[in-house]
Amino acid sequence: KAGVTQTPRYLIKTRGQQVTLSCSPISGHRSVSWYQQTPGQGLQFLFEYFSETQRNKGNFPGRFSGRQFSNSRSEMNVSTLELGDSALYLCASSPAYNSPLHFGNGTRLTVT
Amino acid sequence: DAKTTQPTSMDCAEGRAANLPCNHSTISGNEYVYWYRQIHSQGPQYIIHGLKNNETNEMASLIITEDRKSSTLILPHATLRDTAVYYCIAPTTLTGGGNKLTFGTGTQLKVEL
Repeated sequence: KAGVTQTPRYLIKTRGQQVTLSCSPISGHRSVSWYQQTPGQGLQFLFEYFSETQRNKGNFPGRFSGRQFSNSRSEMNVSTLELGDSALYLCASSPAYNSPLHFGNGTRLTVT
Repeated sequence: DAKTTQPTSMDCAEGRAANLPCNHSTISGNEYVYWYRQIHSQGPQYIIHGLKNNETNEMASLIITEDRKSSTLILPHATLRDTAVYYCIAPTTLTGGGNKLTFGTGTQLKVEL
């Protein structure tokens, strides 16, 4: 079974631009979560989607948004990029409640 | 809302068992304990989880104390490839359904020859 796939693997953007990151979950997994990882803050929860609905959101500004499609694939968007948005963005999927999350290898975003 | 405490770092000789402790004295009776590890520049990898009973899979064993206040992850024969940061996590159930993982700083395990 293929794992969680995130594209692109690396991205360099300029301050003020926007970016869209993509995540393909494991086949059959309907829940997709996004996390941000930085050296200073560690791994922080961004949001979680289930059946195309955002069920939960972490403490991030409105510049961070996402969506999930009917095939469970998910995208997250960051608008008006700031230098502090430089991070590893991780997507994780799971089949059901209380099931383990399976992470992709992330998209490394660098904002200059 | 971190609920677990782990040592910052540990060393282990290759081929020996690595025993990683975790304190979770405040988790509730129906909260699972999950273990993940993260090798540099990769996403976290799920290892094992448990509620009350000890668990074993192809990667590791999980020993949970009877009072559920602590647990130990055991890698029976550590190899150099097991060098990673290991996270012990008690997921937070979210109001909208689903779980959120709160990652602490974890334990940096270094396996040496």
